[in-house]
Amino acid sequence: GESVGLHLPTLSVQEGDNSIINCAYSNSASDYFIWYKQESGKGPQFIIDIRSNMDKRQGQRVTVLLNKTVKHLSLQIAATQPGDSAVYFCADEDTGRRALTFGSGTRLQVQP
Amino acid sequence: DTGVSQDPRHKITKRGQNVTFRCDPISEHNRLYWYRQTLGQGPEFLTYFQNEAQLEKSRLLSDRFSAERPKGSFSTLEIQRTEQGDSAMYLCASSEGEQPQHFGDGTRLSIL
Repeated sequence: GESVGLHLPTLSVQEGDNSIINCAYSNSASDYFIWYKQESGKGPQFIIDIRSNMDKRQGQRVTVLLNKTVKHLSLQIAATQPGDSAVYFCADEDTGRRALTFGSGTRLQVQP
Repeated sequence: DTGVSQDPRHKITKRGQNVTFRCDPISEHNRLYWYRQTLGQGPEFLTYFQNEAQLEKSRLLSDRFSAERPKGSFSTLEIQRTEQGDSAMYLCASSEGEQPQHFGDGTRLSIL
């Protein structure tokens, strides 16, 4: 079946730098995309979402970019902090369905 | 808003035993979802309820699995005749309207 995937399994950055986590999706029927952060022993925590009628959305220190032409999604974290260290998942939702399809995740390590 | 609550947090059982997990969604959320997550992977969709109606089930949900949401509030997920491959984190999420899914911290199941 179609799936959401991630380019890099681990990303290591210095504290204060900007982080970019990428994600490729293959389901052309996907119309809603979400980024989640998951810390060890906890459930996924919602970060930011974007619908397919947008190409950019900003939150507090985070920005999500959507390129529907190449089916690519990215999460930008500004001024990365040690507390940002976690596994980040992108997920997509197909039109008319409610089930989220997750990728395998990218581990973000922030070096002090 | 107390968040999605799951009980128990950890369950250890012998192969062949039955187990039941409970999920209490965020108050007034009409949709409730179950996912399974194995180590190093993203969550995989199992099933979803809108109020008390179970609207979608994944092929991952074998006949040993059953989920209920009898009053449209809390939900239970039962696994009968557990197998080694059932060892995983079982996550519950809830949502309302077009809002994103919010996850609980899961129940970690270990099969001896």
